[in-house]
Amino acid sequence: DTGVSQNPRHKITKRGQNVTFRCDPISEHNRLYWYRQTLGQGPEFLTYFQNEAQLEKSRLLSDRFSAERPKGSFSTLEIQRTEQGDSAMYLCASSLGWGPDTDTQYFGPGTRLTVL
Amino acid sequence: AQTVTQSQPEMSVQEAETVTLSCTYDTSESDYYLFWYKQPPSRQMILVIRQEAYKQQNATENRFSVNFQKAAKSFSLKISDSQLGDAAMYFCAYGRSDGGSQGNLIFGKGTKLSVKP
Repeated sequence: DTGVSQNPRHKITKRGQNVTFRCDPISEHNRLYWYRQTLGQGPEFLTYFQNEAQLEKSRLLSDRFSAERPKGSFSTLEIQRTEQGDSAMYLCASSLGWGPDTDTQYFGPGTRLTVL
Repeated sequence: AQTVTQSQPEMSVQEAETVTLSCTYDTSESDYYLFWYKQPPSRQMILVIRQEAYKQQNATENRFSVNFQKAAKSFSLKISDSQLGDAAMYFCAYGRSDGGSQGNLIFGKGTKLSVKP
């Protein structure tokens, strides 16, 4: 068990460019979550997957954001036409499922996005 | 909608002493989960302790314990025998029990804990 990994760890881009982040969850974890964390704030939910199905999307997830989890393994989060307001830490987490003993979310180290 | 409030932006404790971090939440649900997560500087978030709302007994994990007051919607974290490694941001989080439709956690803004040697 190597934990949740995220790549890249840091991304600097110019406004208007597209960026893509990758998250590799703990193997056999069915659920995968994306959160966004800005300075001085707690993480805010963006979206989550149960296997390959995207079950919920936050209103924070504008149409410039898209997430996928093909084959229920790794997940990607793409931001199109980035804006300065997108600058944040993007966190990925995974859990075995939901309910006692299965719902603990294990977080990755995050991808810090800076939009210039 | 559920909300989580952490009213202490920063706290400080002397090494080996005890500190309590506050958390209140608002929900109309009767069954849910509550969590405390720790985020050390430049490191990933890890779970400290969790509590099921249907359990009256307060959860404990070694030096960490909670005071869960369901009627008051309060969920405080007590850290005993504080260690330098406890210095971190601490986040209180709420999770619905029917995670089938809403599996996300709702986090408070966090409390930054400093430990003085």
